[in-house]
Amino acid sequence: ETGVTQSPTHLIKTRGQQVTLRCSSQSGHNTVSWYQQALGQGPQFIFQYYREEENGRGNFPPRFSGLQFPNYSSELNVNALELDDSALYLCASSLGVNTEAFFGQGTRLTVV
Amino acid sequence: RKEVEQDPGPFNVPEGATVAFNCTYSNSASQSFFWYRQDCRKEPKLLMSVYSSGNEDGRFTAQLNRASQYISLLIRDSKLSDSATYLCAVNRVTGNQFYFGTGTSLTVIP
Repeated sequence: ETGVTQSPTHLIKTRGQQVTLRCSSQSGHNTVSWYQQALGQGPQFIFQYYREEENGRGNFPPRFSGLQFPNYSSELNVNALELDDSALYLCASSLGVNTEAFFGQGTRLTVV
Repeated sequence: RKEVEQDPGPFNVPEGATVAFNCTYSNSASQSFFWYRQDCRKEPKLLMSVYSSGNEDGRFTAQLNRASQYISLLIRDSKLSDSATYLCAVNRVTGNQFYFGTGTSLTVIP
């Protein structure tokens, strides 16, 4: 086990709603990255947080936002959900910004 | 052009075979390279980092070719348990973005 935990594991939301996903990083890891993985695709980088600051962002609209807390846990918030937001959302923690990342089990989000 | 490209396969190989996957990346500023393994409906698990000098871990060998901008993964003596999707990942320090390929599907057949 990687020690990275995500909650919830599954979620169903209605289009237009807002969702918050949570991630606890591996002990000692100060960097958390979030990814969206659609079926049959590789994970797509959403953004990264390093010591509570956003430290890189992929090609996702502003309705995807995040937060990292002093204990390095993190949240991903998505506003105004769209059907295409249905995917597996993965959190990965690492010790530093350019090192191996270890993934949590993911949150499977379905937007109906 | 995609940042990272992989042949999606599928690769179907018999037990004991040697199989190789390649992954190309488009940005020469890329700094760190990794191979991950992902089982169906599970999270990616780190298989190995890829170093400039190449590295080996048991039956697995990873190589980096900066001049041609590709990384490779070689699996020797394939086992049934190697069946999975293999993802390459590239970290570009500029803008600190992490890119994955779409993954290569491997099935090892008895």
